[in-house]
Amino acid sequence: EVQLVESGGGLVQPGGSLRLSCAASGFTFNTYEMNWIRQAPGKGPEWVSYISSSGYSMYNVDSVKGRFTISRDNAKNSLYLQMNSLRAEDTAVYYCARDSGRLTDYWGQGTLVTVSS
Amino acid sequence: DIQMTQSPSTLSASVGDRVTITCRASQSISSWLAWYQQKPGTAPKLLIYKASSLESGVPSRFSGSGSGTEFTLTISSLQPDDFATYYCQQYDSYPLRAFGQGTKVEVK
Repeated sequence: EVQLVESGGGLVQPGGSLRLSCAASGFTFNTYEMNWIRQAPGKGPEWVSYISSSGYSMYNVDSVKGRFTISRDNAKNSLYLQMNSLRAEDTAVYYCARDSGRLTDYWGQGTLVTVSS
Repeated sequence: DIQMTQSPSTLSASVGDRVTITCRASQSISSWLAWYQQKPGTAPKLLIYKASSLESGVPSRFSGSGSGTEFTLTISSLQPDDFATYYCQQYDSYPLRAFGQGTKVEVK
């Protein structure tokens, strides 16, 4: 069974940093592309970051470029999101999600990030 | 950037009703469209991919159609478990992608 378990969310002040983690199990992690997708309260999902199976290729949505960095450790079956210079508009539930082909097929349960003073 | 627009934003319906949700893309996305269902406090669940292919395990009352810029999700006979919010997502510009703003299906 595919499982994606996020951790690391919490309350942080504007300008602060946070590192999210995602522990993957139930599939061969190093053969799948992975993503972070967020959902602000009452809004639709927004794709944030993508990383290739090898970790060599990464893409970000424009609003987080220069602030967020996606990475992975295939030896530990883990995905990460380093978030710096956080803003109020980054407040959301952050989901770790797996791609199969071009399709996002599995999501974790999410971790809440709240940016507030 | 490709923008996705869903209509309606809210839909009131009764059990047994036929329900149709529309999704429009700001430019052609071929058939690279998925539909997700989300219930409160849970992650989105994949229903339909490549515009009309049913994900394994999803009831056959769900169907998708369309190509290019206009797509529809149809629930042939609404069941109590189907009251939820539905999102379309384009993946033509993969790995970049975009979601619609959602359609909430509520009890009439």
